[in-house]
Amino acid sequence: NAGVTQTPKFQVLKTGQSMTLQCAQDMNHNSMYWYRQDPGMGLRLIYYSASEGTTDKGEVPNGYNVSRLNKREFSLRLESAAPSQTSVYFCASSVVIRYEQYFGPGTRLTVT
Amino acid sequence: AQRVTQPEKLLSVFKGAPVELKCNYSYSGSPELFWYVQYSRQRLQLLLRHISRESIKGFTADLNKGETSFHLKKPFAQEEDSAMYYCALSGQTGANNLFFGTGTRLTVIP
Repeated sequence: NAGVTQTPKFQVLKTGQSMTLQCAQDMNHNSMYWYRQDPGMGLRLIYYSASEGTTDKGEVPNGYNVSRLNKREFSLRLESAAPSQTSVYFCASSVVIRYEQYFGPGTRLTVT
Repeated sequence: AQRVTQPEKLLSVFKGAPVELKCNYSYSGSPELFWYVQYSRQRLQLLLRHISRESIKGFTADLNKGETSFHLKKPFAQEEDSAMYYCALSGQTGANNLFFGTGTRLTVIP
């Protein structure tokens, strides 16, 4: 089992460009999450999907959109990247909400 | 409002010394508390959760509802314990009540 996978590992964007971060899990988990990690801020929840077909905003959703494509895949889209979105992005999944989360390796995004 | 507070950004201890990483939370109701660890060049992984009351890699954490704390402890630190530790809280309703602390970087000095 690969667990939670994320692509790409690294990305550099110019301000205003768009991109999609991909996440997939092979553990048959119902819930999936996107976090961003910034120095001194810990992990902050951007969006989550409690189950296939549902998505909800987390603590810092502005500037992002998500799609729960199927049970396995949960993507994060930046429509118009801004320097403030420079961060490390983590995808995670869990059996259901409130259970242990399994994390992906992260995507390091730089917006210039 | 800060839900999870980890007051120490950095903590250094000598090998064999006791370790305590502090975590305080603010939440009314019955939260679920977790400790996650991130070793160098590895992904974040669960260390322990309060509901299981396990001891993992010699670490324990007790939920103190009176003091709203969930401190992580180990009696004898090992070099391989050097890592970033995050305390996390999950509220009762939905993942929009999921909060992580800012993390404590533990360094165990040989």
